Amino acid sequence: DVKVTQSSRYLVKRTGEKVFLECVQDMDHENMFWYRQDPGLGLRLIYFSYDVKMKEKGDIPEGYSVSREKKERFSLILESASTNQTSMYLCASSYLAGRTDTQYFGPGTRLTVL
Amino acid sequence: GNSVTQMEGPVTLSEEAFLTINCTYTATGYPSLFWYVQYPGEGLQLLLKATKADDKGSNKGFEATYRKETTSFHLEKGSVQVSDSAVYFCAVPNFGNEKLTFGTGTRLTIIP
Repeated sequence: DVKVTQSSRYLVKRTGEKVFLECVQDMDHENMFWYRQDPGLGLRLIYFSYDVKMKEKGDIPEGYSVSREKKERFSLILESASTNQTSMYLCASSYLAGRTDTQYFGPGTRLTVL
Repeated sequence: GNSVTQMEGPVTLSEEAFLTINCTYTATGYPSLFWYVQYPGEGLQLLLKATKADDKGSNKGFEATYRKETTSFHLEKGSVQVSDSAVYFCAVPNFGNEKLTFGTGTRLTIIP
């Protein structure tokens, strides 16, 4: 079974802090994704990576950056957290670059910025 | 890019009722179509998919048929259970790449 794990289930941070969210997948998938999920808005793509050190902006990249130094790990960074970044963050992975494959999701990190 | 419009929720049904959650899409070509489910406290997981027109995806008693004439992929189940309570998302790929566009989600609650 594919397993996608996220470093924290719940996180509370203060405005202005730098925040790291980590995601690890164990199935050698090429693609990894970061979404945020908000009521009434569904899932919105923040960033996407199709290979180590490669990334693409999604629909809402402002205020976020990402890092993929190893194939299995994809980090989301909030450079200076703000209250409007309070949300559920979901990581996902899929098998092959250039193809539409099933995405496998982690359990999510609920981030609260005070 | 491709887009999907999903039935607004929340939906509340009694156990053993018939379920339909509507999903229509706008897409270039004939992409695969997906339904994902999110159970309480969990991430999303694939429920079913269809890869071409007239295909029927099915899983756990749920079904959805890829209708290109009506650009629809409605989710149905003949007899829902309390354990089906979850949020359901319809999704369509962005043309030519690995990304998915998700609907806003429909929260389903089944009461005994």
